[in-house]
Amino acid sequence: NAGVTQTPKFQVLKTGQSMTLQCAQDMNHNSMYWYRQDPGMGLRLIYYSASEGTTDKGEVPNGYNVSRLNKREFSLRLESAAPSQTSVYFCASSERGRGLETQYFGPGTRLLVL
Amino acid sequence: AQTVTQSQPEMSVQEAETVTLSCTYDTSESNYYLFWYKQPPSRQMILVIRQEAYKQQNATENRFSVNFQKAAKSFSLKISDSQLGDTAMYFCAFTIIQGAQKLVFGQGTRLTINP
Repeated sequence: NAGVTQTPKFQVLKTGQSMTLQCAQDMNHNSMYWYRQDPGMGLRLIYYSASEGTTDKGEVPNGYNVSRLNKREFSLRLESAAPSQTSVYFCASSERGRGLETQYFGPGTRLLVL
Repeated sequence: AQTVTQSQPEMSVQEAETVTLSCTYDTSESNYYLFWYKQPPSRQMILVIRQEAYKQQNATENRFSVNFQKAAKSFSLKISDSQLGDTAMYFCAFTIIQGAQKLVFGQGTRLTINP
C-alpha cells in the first residue's frame, strides 16, 4: 500500500497563476484533509472532507478551493496564486474523521509563488 | 477558538538521555483529544501518542509517555532512552470530541539527539 500520495512534490508558480495539488489514498478512508505548514508554525487546516461528497472549510480556506473527486482523491486548487501561499502543503486521511483516530499524512508538496 | 502553544522552539540532548517537551493549550471544552505527532527530516508526519481528556491515566507507548494535567491545560511528552532516530520536529495537537476531527497544531519543537 502506498498510503497517501501527493503530486507534485515541488512546484514554482508566478503570482496569478493557477494550479491543482493532487492527493490520493489507498486505505479506503472516508475522511481527507488539506493542511499548510509555514516556517515557525504548526500545520493549519485549509479544508477537509468528512466523507465522499462533502467538503468544509478549515482554519485558513481563503484563496483555495477543493474537490473530493471520489473516495480516494481530494484535490486542492489555487485559482490565482499569491506569494503568501508559498508553503508546504500536506494531505492527510483518516478512517472516519473522528475522535482519537490517526491521521495519515502524505509526503507534502513544496510550493513557491514568485 | 482553541489554541496550542509549544514554548520550546528547539531542544538538544545526548543519546540515551530523557527529554520532556512542553505543550499547553487553551479551550473552553471539557472533553477533547490530544496528540503528539513527529515530523522527521523526511517531512512525513507520524502519530507518536494520543490521550483522551476524560481519562486520568497518562498514555504510554514504549519509550514515549505523556504527563497530562487537565486543570493546568498541559500535555507534555517524555521520551526515555532517547535514540538518534528520535531527531525530528514534534507537534502537539488538539481536537474537540464533537464532529469532525479538525486538528489544531502547536508551533512545534525541534528536537536533536546527539551521539
